[in-house]
Amino acid sequence: QVHLVESGGDLVKPGGSLRLSCAASGFTFSDFFMSWIRQAPGKGPEFVSYINGGTNDIYYADSVKGRFTISRDNAKNSLYLQMSSLRVDDTAIYYCARLGNGWSPGDYWGQGTLVTVSS
Amino acid sequence: QTVVTQEPSLTVSPGGTVTLTCASGTGAVTDDYHPNWFQQKPGQSPRSLIYNARYKHSWTPARFSGSLLGGKAALTLSGVQSDDEADYYCLLFYDRGWVFGGGTRLTVL
Repeated sequence: QVHLVESGGDLVKPGGSLRLSCAASGFTFSDFFMSWIRQAPGKGPEFVSYINGGTNDIYYADSVKGRFTISRDNAKNSLYLQMSSLRVDDTAIYYCARLGNGWSPGDYWGQGTLVTVSS
Repeated sequence: QTVVTQEPSLTVSPGGTVTLTCASGTGAVTDDYHPNWFQQKPGQSPRSLIYNARYKHSWTPARFSGSLLGGKAALTLSGVQSDDEADYYCLLFYDRGWVFGGGTRLTVL
């Protein structure tokens, strides 16, 4: 079955950097768009970024454009999010999610990894 | 910033029927927005229920249905159970990006 496991969340100071990883299993990873979705404490989810299997179709939300970089390694079945110039309002649980076929973004989600930006 | 609006909270009795709606700040929601609906319980990741306005996953209970209604996306729960108490989020597609609504907290009482 589909399994997504995020890692890399941590406490970081404003202006700092962090790299999140997501290990995928149970499906042909390279066939699917993958995404990062975050959820600040007590708030609704926010779509952060997505990337297609060929890595030539990438989207970023305006709130992270120029600061975050999404990437993937299909040979390792892994998705990444490089975050830099972190701000307090980037504090959130970051979820890795698969974009399923038929316009189904987030048909499967990981358990999330917590990023806290605080001085 | 595109705004997607949901009812902040709704209450329904067990066995009853309730409809949650999702409106776009840019106008009527159509199939072109590919509405999705998610359920989230405390301490859990969101779970997809409905995609592309009306399609269910294999795990979606039959009592959940999606539609377009009066210019909005809608999620209807029929025969509500106590287990349906949760936060529900809609998700709409704009140009190349996806935008979540603010969520509806459904109370079963």
